[in-house]
Formats: sequence, C-alpha cells, structure tokens
Amino acid sequence: GQQVMQIPQYQHVQEGEDFTTYCNSSTTLSNIQWYKQRPGGHPVFLIQLVKSGEVKKQKRLTFQFGEAKKNSSLHITATQTTDVGTYFCAGPYSTLTFGKGTMLLVSP
Amino acid sequence: DSGVTQTPKHLITATGQRVTLRCSPRSGDLSVYWYQQSLDQGLQFLIQYYNGEERAKGNILERFSAQQFPDLHSELNLSSLELGDSALYFCASSVVEDSPLHFGNGTRLTVT
Repeated sequence: GQQVMQIPQYQHVQEGEDFTTYCNSSTTLSNIQWYKQRPGGHPVFLIQLVKSGEVKKQKRLTFQFGEAKKNSSLHITATQTTDVGTYFCAGPYSTLTFGKGTMLLVSP
Repeated sequence: DSGVTQTPKHLITATGQRVTLRCSPRSGDLSVYWYQQSLDQGLQFLIQYYNGEERAKGNILERFSAQQFPDLHSELNLSSLELGDSALYFCASSVVEDSPLHFGNGTRLTVT
C-alpha cells in the first residue's frame, strides 16, 4: 500500500551535532506532517507543510517540503539532550499514514 | 495535555480473552483514529471514524472491531487475544480529516 519511507531508522549523535531525517513518498502528497514521540510518551504534532518547496523553522528545527511534494526533511541544528525521541513523518493517503520513524539518541 | 483521554492506561489479560479500549476525543474533534504501536512496527493504522461513520480501515484483524458513538467517544474491541496483540494502542483525534492529530497517552495491552 501507499506509505512514506523514512531514513535513517536510528541515529546517535553527540550533543551539539546536527541531525537530519528524511521522508519519501511514492506519490505526491497534499501535505506532510511531522510528529515527535519522547521515550514512554505519545506522538506530539510538530508541524504541517502544505506548499511545494515550503521551509518552516521552529527554533533549532527546520522542516522542508520538496518541490515535487514527494519528500520532506527535518533538520535539527546543534542537538540537545531534550531532542531525544522518535521523529515521525505522516502523509494523508487513504488516511494519515506514518513512516516508521527515526529514533534520535543524543549523548551529552 | 492533548485533551484526548484513553482508558485504561494498562491492561493485562490472558490469551483468548476479550478487551475494550475506550477513547474520548478532544472537545470539538469529529475524527477519531486508532493506531497500534509495537516495538519494531512503528505506528500501524487500524481504523478511522468521522462523526460516527467509518472512514478508513487499515490492516485491522477480523478479531478487532471498533465504533464511534453519537457522543463521539470511540471504543476498540479486541477479541480472541493472542500474545502478538501485546502492544501500545493509541487513539488520536482531529477536527477534520487530514488535519493534525492529537494523541492520547495510549493503552498498554499485555497478553499473557
């Protein structure tokens, strides 16, 4: 079925390093959403991108939506230990479908 | 606090049994989603309701069923439970379809 592919599955960085996760869809998306799930918690909505080529920033987080609206990325600048968690992208196919997520571990 | 309430938080039951998970959506949200999260499987979509009507179905087992009631709360029924059904079950709600989801804290089901 239709799905979003997310890479990498896992990344371990030192605090202060940058981090990027990528999301790819086989079909054009009307929008893409990003969520963060802290260990032991529930997914929390971060942002929704709608326009082709859109770039949005939230403090150290930068979200991009590709020109073809088939891919997206989340970049974190200078990671902190509070960034630990799993980041999911989600696309609206027959319903909102989540990628498998990228687990981020940050060592102090 | 997302405003989505899920009960119970934890459930431990034996194989072959039947359980009901309950979800109250955020006030004003008409759409309710159910997801299953196992260790290696990410968030697997089960089923979606909008204003009482089923809107989409994922790879939901025939042993599982759900409904959304007139007051918009939803229940997920899991029957003939197997060990592999042990997982975290999330309910989420949204104002309209495809708008951002607000997740509950989940129900952790352990089948022994």
